[in-house]
Amino acid sequence: DAGVTQSPTHLIKTRGQQVTLRCSPKSGHDTVSWYQQALGQGPQFIFQYYEEEERQRGNFPDRFSGHQFPNYSSELNVNALLLGDSALYLCASSAEIANYGYTFGSGTRLTVV
Amino acid sequence: AQSVTQLDSHVSVSEGTPVLLRCNYSSSYSPSLFWYVQHPNKGLQLLLKYTSAATLVKGINGFEAEFKKSETSFHLTKPSAHMSDAAEYFCVVTRANAGGTSYGKLTFGQGTILTVHP
Repeated sequence: DAGVTQSPTHLIKTRGQQVTLRCSPKSGHDTVSWYQQALGQGPQFIFQYYEEEERQRGNFPDRFSGHQFPNYSSELNVNALLLGDSALYLCASSAEIANYGYTFGSGTRLTVV
Repeated sequence: AQSVTQLDSHVSVSEGTPVLLRCNYSSSYSPSLFWYVQHPNKGLQLLLKYTSAATLVKGINGFEAEFKKSETSFHLTKPSAHMSDAAEYFCVVTRANAGGTSYGKLTFGQGTILTVHP
């Protein structure tokens, strides 16, 4: 049973560029959340998607946007990249009804230069 | 609103000795509480979860945590540390509904780095 799959694993971008990160949730999971983990910090909640809608959003600017597809996979888009966007981006999936926690992917390491 | 405070940024123990990682939480709602572990350059792995059932929760790899509502604490313990336990540990809170299902955003503590000496 595949867990949460994220791609790419590493990415280097230039300031001002745009980036798209992808996430495939664990089989049976229908809810996807995205987190940003800066170096030496705990993960910070960006947003959560369920039924292709953004259900909840953290304290991130509109440069951060997302999408969920009918197969429950998700994308995180970041526009106008800043140096401070350099971080590990983690995707977590869960099941709306079932109740056993959230499964995390290994993350995408984004470096903005 | 919800928040988590991990009381130690670094904990160092010798192999075979007990581990205690401390966590206090704050929540306007009934909380679900988790401990996750993160090994270097890896994702987050769930160690254990509390969701309003038994207050003493047993997890993987010999870890356990006790939910103390009066103290708003959820400390993680292990009787005997192993070298492979060296990692960063995160205490996490989210909201639980009446049925104990957790949902919504996870709020993480700042993490505790556990070092295990031979």
